[in-house]
Amino acid sequence: QVQLVESGGGVVQPGRSLRLSCVGSGFTFSSHGMHWVRQAPGKGLEWVATVLYGGETQYYADSVKGRFTISRDNSKNTIYLQMSSLRAEDTAVYYCVRWTTTAVYYDLWGQGTLVTVSS
Amino acid sequence: NFMLTQPHSVSESPGKTVTISCTRSSGNIASNYVQWYQQRPGSAPNIVIFADNQRPSGVPYRFSGSIDSSSNSASLTISGLKTEDEAHYYCQSYDHAFWVFGGGTKLTVL
Repeated sequence: QVQLVESGGGVVQPGRSLRLSCVGSGFTFSSHGMHWVRQAPGKGLEWVATVLYGGETQYYADSVKGRFTISRDNSKNTIYLQMSSLRAEDTAVYYCVRWTTTAVYYDLWGQGTLVTVSS
Repeated sequence: NFMLTQPHSVSESPGKTVTISCTRSSGNIASNYVQWYQQRPGSAPNIVIFADNQRPSGVPYRFSGSIDSSSNSASLTISGLKTEDEAHYYCQSYDHAFWVFGGGTKLTVL
C-alpha cells in the first residue's frame, strides 16, 4: 500500500544529534521530491527541508540551515534528516511528506515521529 | 521570502458557509499556487484545495478556493458546514527553494 513510515524520534539533550528516517512504499520513490515538515506541540506546520529526486539538490528553512542535513537513498526508498546542535525549539512532530510529481502540493504524509529536546 | 497570515480561529453553525483568508505579506498572491490542508486532532494534514482552486478527487464540492489580487490573499470557502469539518486549516505556498505555511485557522462548527 502507498505509505510513508518515519522512525528515529525520541528524547535528546540540547546540543546533541539525532537522525530521522522515512521509508516509502507502494509508489515510485525516485519520481518525487520529498520533504520534512514539523509541528511543535499545539502549534502550526513548518516546512523544514526538501530533497529533490536524485538527492543532488537540497533546500532548508532558515531555522535549521547549517544544523540539519536532508538526504535520500533511492535504492532503499528512504530519506533521512540528520539533526545536530539540537535546541529546545526543535521539539516537534516531524512528518515525512511527498510532493506530487506535478510539483504542486503535498499529497502523502507519514504518521509523524516525535522529537523532544530536553535536558 | 514571504509570510502567509491566517485568522487564528473562526466559528459558524452547521449548514452555514464560512470563509478562511490567507494573506501574502509580499509579492503577488497569483505568482505561486496556494494550497489548503485540513488537519484533525491527532492526524496528519490532508489536502483539500490545490493550485488555488482545484479540488482533489474525494474532497466534497462544499470546499472551494479562490485568490484575490486586490487584497493579495487566498480564501477557502466551506459551504453547508458539517460538524465533521471542525478542524485546523492551513494555507501553503512556495517559491524557488522555499515552502511556507500559514499559521493555521481553527474552525469550530457549533
